[in-house]
Order: sequence, then structure tokens, then C-alpha cells
Amino acid sequence: DVKVTQSSRYLVKRTGEKVFLECVQDMDHENMFWYRQDPGLGLRLIYFSYDVKMKEKGDIPEGYSVSREKKERFSLILESASTNQTSMYLCASSELGRDPAVETQYFGPGTRLLVL
Amino acid sequence: AQSVTQLGSHVSVSEGALVLLRCNYSSSVPPYLFWYVQYPNQGLQLLLKYTSAATLVKGINGFEAEFKKSETSFHLTKPSAHMSDAAEYFCAVTLGLYSGAGSYQLTFGKGTKLSVIP
Repeated sequence: DVKVTQSSRYLVKRTGEKVFLECVQDMDHENMFWYRQDPGLGLRLIYFSYDVKMKEKGDIPEGYSVSREKKERFSLILESASTNQTSMYLCASSELGRDPAVETQYFGPGTRLLVL
Repeated sequence: AQSVTQLGSHVSVSEGALVLLRCNYSSSVPPYLFWYVQYPNQGLQLLLKYTSAATLVKGINGFEAEFKKSETSFHLTKPSAHMSDAAEYFCAVTLGLYSGAGSYQLTFGKGTKLSVIP
């Protein structure tokens, strides 16, 4: 079974702090994604990566950056956390099958971040 | 551009009753469509996906969905609801086009929370 793990389930940070959210997958997937989930808004894509050191902006990249130094690990960075970044953050991974039928996204359990 | 609309942010059904969760899509080309489920305090899990092979798609846990091009719909159904079906359900769409950056991007609906009444 594909396993996607996220470093923390719950995180509390203060405004202005630098925050790292880590995601690791064990299926040698090329693609990795970071979403945020907010009530009534569904999931919105922040960034994704299709290879080591490669990244692409999603729909809401402002205030975030990412790092992918190893294939299995994809980090989301909040350079200076703000209260409007309080949210649930979900990581996902998929194969690079060049076919949506193959590229099923597998999700981690999520990190619930509270910024005070 | 692609989008999905899920009708009803909350749906309640009695145990044993039919489950119907609605999803309509907007897409300029034939889409690929997905239903994901999220149980409390968990990530999303794929229920089923439509990839143009068959219009009626069967998924896990007794769920199925039918792709209707004329109605631009992909509604999720289950004949008999169980208490364990209580969760949030997300419809998602991606186009049959490469994004140009190495991956197809999914666009999610806002979700429908399903409650099952004993």
C-alpha cells in the first residue's frame, strides 16, 4: 500500500514564525502536491513538484515556498506565518504516468496548523 | 479551464436509504472525474474515477457514479447507506491534457458532508 506520512498532525505556531511542514512518501512517486483545505472552500493546490528540485505554483502559492531535495520528501515552508494561514494542510503523491487514469493521488492524514 | 460544483454542502440520509451526492463539471474538453472520501481526521481516499472507459463506474464500499455528458454530471450513489459512510465527499476533475509541467492538476469541489441517521 502507498503510504504518505506528514510530520505532524497538529501544530501551533505564532505569527511571524517560520514553519516547516514535511511530507514523505514510500512509493517512489515522481509527483508530490501540497493542498490546503478550508471549510466551504474544498481543497486548493498550493504547489506541486514532478521531480527532485522541480516545482510549480498551484492556485494559491502566495506566502508559501516548497523544497524537494529528495524524491520521497516534499516540504512546505511558511516563511513568516500569518493567522490567515491557519488551515488543514494535505500532502499527496502520484506516479508520473502521463495519464490521469494512472495518476491517482494518494493523500497523507493532514496537518492541522493553528497560527496565533 | 475546468471546475466542479457539488450541490449541497450537507446531506443527511437515514441508515438503509439511498445516498445521492451531486457533482456537475465544467470542462472545455472531455474530462477525467474522481470522487474522494475523507473520514474524520484523515486524508482523502479515492472512491472511484471516470477515465472514459465506461460511463458507469463502480468504486469501493458499494459506491458507484455515472458519467452523463449531456448533463455534465457525475453523481455519486449508493443503494443503502451505512453509518460508516458518514464522511465528507469530494468530486474532482482534471483535463485530458498535460499541464505542461509534468502532471495533471486536479480541481476539487467544495465537498459534501454526508450524515447518516440511525
